[in-house]
Amino acid sequence: QVQLVQSGAEVRKPGASVKVSCKAPADTFTGYDINWVRQATGQGLEWMGWMNPHSGNTGYAQKFQGRVTMTRDTSIATAYMELRSLRSDDTAVYYCARVCRGCGTDYWGQGTLVTVSS
Amino acid sequence: DIQMTQSPSSLSASVGDRVTITCRASQGIGNSLAWFQQKPGKAPKSLIFAASRLHSGVPSDFSGSGSGTDFTLTISSLQPEDFATYYCQQYFSYPFTFGQGTKVEIK
Repeated sequence: QVQLVQSGAEVRKPGASVKVSCKAPADTFTGYDINWVRQATGQGLEWMGWMNPHSGNTGYAQKFQGRVTMTRDTSIATAYMELRSLRSDDTAVYYCARVCRGCGTDYWGQGTLVTVSS
Repeated sequence: DIQMTQSPSSLSASVGDRVTITCRASQGIGNSLAWFQQKPGKAPKSLIFAASRLHSGVPSDFSGSGSGTDFTLTISSLQPEDFATYYCQQYFSYPFTFGQGTKVEIK
């Protein structure tokens, strides 16, 4: 069973930034893309973007362009998602997910609650 | 962007019932369609990829079918642990998009 382990819950004020981490198994880290998906309370799943840990290439949903950055540290098999200029409607659980090109998403992190409140 | 439309948005069913959920893409996506199950307070769980292939460990009561624009998820005999919300997702082209979800409730 592959585990993606995310960082703990965060509270931020409007206008601040948050960086969520996602630690993956080291032996397969560069073999799969990492996607980030968020879910506001009581709402559906919203895809934010992707990152290829091998190349560092990224792609973001239009909605988040300019506010999100996805990075990685291959030495510790960890992916990161930073969201800036936070608003109250960014309050959500943020998930990382491992994606195989051609076989879709197979494993998910446990989720990280980010609360944006003044 | 490819729009994914699921129906119904919710349904009530009994243990042992056969349940079918549909997902329609706004344009053809081949078989690049996944299904996920999510229970309250939990991360989604991957059930099916490539429209019809079960992930390891997923019970054979689950099956998927379809290609192009129309897809279905079928639970052949609903079990108590199957009451959850189900999402489809296309991974044919970026941005990957989800359906709005189908909540399966106990009748």
